[in-house]
Amino acid sequence: EPEVTQTPSHQVTQMGQEVILRCVPISNHLYFYWYRQILGQKVEFLVSFYNNEISEKSEIFDDQFSVERPDGSNFTLKIRSTKLEDSAMYFCASPDGSEVGGYTFGSGTRLTVV
Amino acid sequence: GESVGLHLPTLSVQEGDNSIINCAYSNSASDYFIWYKQESGKGPQFIIDIRSNMDKRQGQRVTVLLNKTVKHLSLQIAATQPGDSAVYFCAENMVAAGNKLTFGGGTRVLVKP
Repeated sequence: EPEVTQTPSHQVTQMGQEVILRCVPISNHLYFYWYRQILGQKVEFLVSFYNNEISEKSEIFDDQFSVERPDGSNFTLKIRSTKLEDSAMYFCASPDGSEVGGYTFGSGTRLTVV
Repeated sequence: GESVGLHLPTLSVQEGDNSIINCAYSNSASDYFIWYKQESGKGPQFIIDIRSNMDKRQGQRVTVLLNKTVKHLSLQIAATQPGDSAVYFCAENMVAAGNKLTFGGGTRVLVKP
């Protein structure tokens, strides 16, 4: 079964530092997504990425956030200057093609900002 | 604004019994409604979805019901097993919105042996 791989699984960073979260989505897919889940809360959409550019972004995805596909396989989410409220689980997702709603999510990166 | 929400935050169920998880939605323009299961420390896992022009869909041990009249979605799990213990999220998907998912708040299901 296709997998979405995320690294690191857990990252601790100091407030104001830059972090890069990495994802290897399902190959041969053009749409990629980042979602965020603050502890104990619902999963929230951050950004969709289609054909190497941002397709849509939420209000959460401000100027401190950026996404890239640096080498055709990896998909990264960068937070330039982290804030305490950026602490959350960050999930990368790819549509798996079997169902319209059938996203495959990665296991997530737990970001802790101290 | 548009939202997807859940009625019950926690559901305790005896092993072997059936579980019913409910969800209310408000965006009548959504094309698909999806149920996800999230186990501790893992990402959401697709369970089943239903198109907006259907009212029932069955999978393996799961059934999703959609009542568009009252904007209500439910997930029924037959013969609940310990492995079903998790948080369950409903989500809606609008193709015109780039297939992004709008999630509800989640229901925790605890299966008692």
